[in-house]
Formats: sequence, C-alpha cells, structure tokens
Amino acid sequence: AQSVTQPDIHITVSEGASLELRCNYSYGATPYLFWYVQSPGQGLQLLLKYFSGDTLVQGIKGFEAEFKRSQSSFNLRKPSVHWSDAAEYFCAVGVRGAQKLVFGQGTRLTINP
Amino acid sequence: DTGVSQDPRHKITKRGQNVTFRCDPISEHNRLYWYRQTLGQGPEFLTYFQNEAQLEKSRLLSDRFSAERPKGSFSTLEIQRTEQGDSAMYLCASSSTRSPYNEQFFGPGTRLTVL
Repeated sequence: AQSVTQPDIHITVSEGASLELRCNYSYGATPYLFWYVQSPGQGLQLLLKYFSGDTLVQGIKGFEAEFKRSQSSFNLRKPSVHWSDAAEYFCAVGVRGAQKLVFGQGTRLTINP
Repeated sequence: DTGVSQDPRHKITKRGQNVTFRCDPISEHNRLYWYRQTLGQGPEFLTYFQNEAQLEKSRLLSDRFSAERPKGSFSTLEIQRTEQGDSAMYLCASSSTRSPYNEQFFGPGTRLTVL
C-alpha cells in the first residue's frame, strides 16, 4: 500500500530565510502528489500539485516543489518565508485508479521574527 | 465564494450521544470525501461518494458511523453512541470527475469533542 513520510515533525526558521520541507512516498508507479497547508483550526488549502511533465512545479504563496523519481521525494521549498507561513504542511499521495488521498503526518512550521 | 462548507464547525457532546455533521461540496463537483484528522496527524480517509453512490469505505468507518449523500449534493456523516476516541476533526472534500488527477478541495472541518 502507498505511504507518505514527512521526516520532520517540527521545523523552525527565521523570517526571510529559505525553507525546505521533506516528503518521501512509497508507491510502485508515479503517483499524483500534493502539498496542502493547514492553519490552526482550519481546513486544508491546496498549495501545489504534480501529475506529470516538468518535475519542478510552482504553487501559490511563492511555494514550489520538485519531484525526484529516483529518490521518491517531493520536497516543498520557498526562498524566503514570511511570518504568515507559520502553519502545518501536509504532503499527500493520490493513486491512479483510486480516489482517496494518503497523507503524511505533517510538518509544523514555526517562524522566528 | 462557493467552496466546500461544513456545519457545525464545532460540536461538543457527551459519550453515548449521537451526532450528525453536514457537508456541502463545491456545486459542480460530483465526488465527495470524508476524512478524519486526530491531533498531530494527517487526515485519514473514511469514505467517498460519486454522486449519491457510496463507493468506498475505510476500515476506520466502524458500524457506528454512517454517511449518506441522498441526492448527490450535500452529505451527512452520523456517529452513533459516540466514544471519547471519536474526538477529532472531521474534514469533507470534493472533486470533479472532469479532473483526471483527483484534485480535492477541503472544507474547514467539524471539530468534535466527546466528553
């Protein structure tokens, strides 16, 4: 069965610093990959998605992610974080032919002023 | 804004009571999903509908849980005889079969607390 691992439970970065959140997946073929963001007490907002083609995808709020098939990874990056980026970030895998998404356990991002 | 809406946003109940949550998907979306999220974890799939048909249920969906989507529009999730372990955020999402990649859009969730 497919699975998603987000190795970092909590990351703290300074405002203006660069950010990389890690995501590794386990699946026999190329999955659909998503990053969602969740602010406290809120639902999930889709940041970006990868289905096929160019392995570097751009999303909202200045985020980007790179799909690396050889490493089964889909890491999220942002060159300069803002205090408003503090939230929980979830990586998710969608399987071709199935409907459910499988989520990682999330990475909580704290921003130092 | 015609995003996914959920009602209520918060529900506090006593153990043993029944609760019902409602989800209204994006209007043109024919697929609707329910997920459960416990503290510190990612969402876990519970069930999904295509139009009014419930096509998949997770093992997490015990017989105390029932979901319906009677007219293929809004959906309800009922939990009977609630237990403290049912305390969680219940998230609803929707998508369209026109999207081949199953891009799901989530509502704000219903936070359930069972005392």
